[in-house]
Amino acid sequence: DADVTQTPRNRITKTGKRIMLECSQTKGHDRMYWYRQDPGLGLRLIYYSFDVKDINKGEISDGYSVSRQAQAKFSLSLESAIPNQTALYFCATSDPGLEGSGANVLTFGAGSRLTVL
Amino acid sequence: QKEVEQDPGPLSVPEGAIVSLNCTYSNSAFQYFMWYRQYSRKGPELLMYTYSSGNKEDGRFTAQVDKSSKYISLFIRDSQPSDSATYLCAMSGASNTGKLIFGQGTTLQVKP
Repeated sequence: DADVTQTPRNRITKTGKRIMLECSQTKGHDRMYWYRQDPGLGLRLIYYSFDVKDINKGEISDGYSVSRQAQAKFSLSLESAIPNQTALYFCATSDPGLEGSGANVLTFGAGSRLTVL
Repeated sequence: QKEVEQDPGPLSVPEGAIVSLNCTYSNSAFQYFMWYRQYSRKGPELLMYTYSSGNKEDGRFTAQVDKSSKYISLFIRDSQPSDSATYLCAMSGASNTGKLIFGQGTTLQVKP
């Protein structure tokens, strides 16, 4: 099984619909993230969570909400989807203690491709 | 102006060539510099990371950071068709929040 699992892998929906993307991880990491990838823009941070009670907005949080149900689960919701939210969404976890250097190395899921018509 | 700039390519090279991938950045607070590789329909995976300036080598891959020029590079020696992927540079500051700033990614094709 993958370390970071995202569901669904692909979703097509209509403008105005509520959508939830789910993420679960088996790495035992406290830190989890949601990123969005668009052609020509790279990955941009939507929300991040350092533990179950600590949730923070990222660079582009407008129109999105998140829920950290447990250490292993972090879901992303679009309350009312719009076409410019069509993108590839990635969940990631990180280990802040890599080699004691303090670098946060992200482990990504395989992505959820969302199309909003 | 974006904080991190990366030429999206595509870059096409013959098998065995030396590949040079580059990123420039504007934020002098960046301390950690990473390269992720992303195959089609997959999530990015960490290839290499470097703290502050200097070089780091891992097999056929070498990462270089020049903080004075705000410029980082990834070199791939003896490139293979299996190296065909999108390469993303990413950076973060010293505060260790895990909030990475990514470049746009460079698509590389290595032709047999």
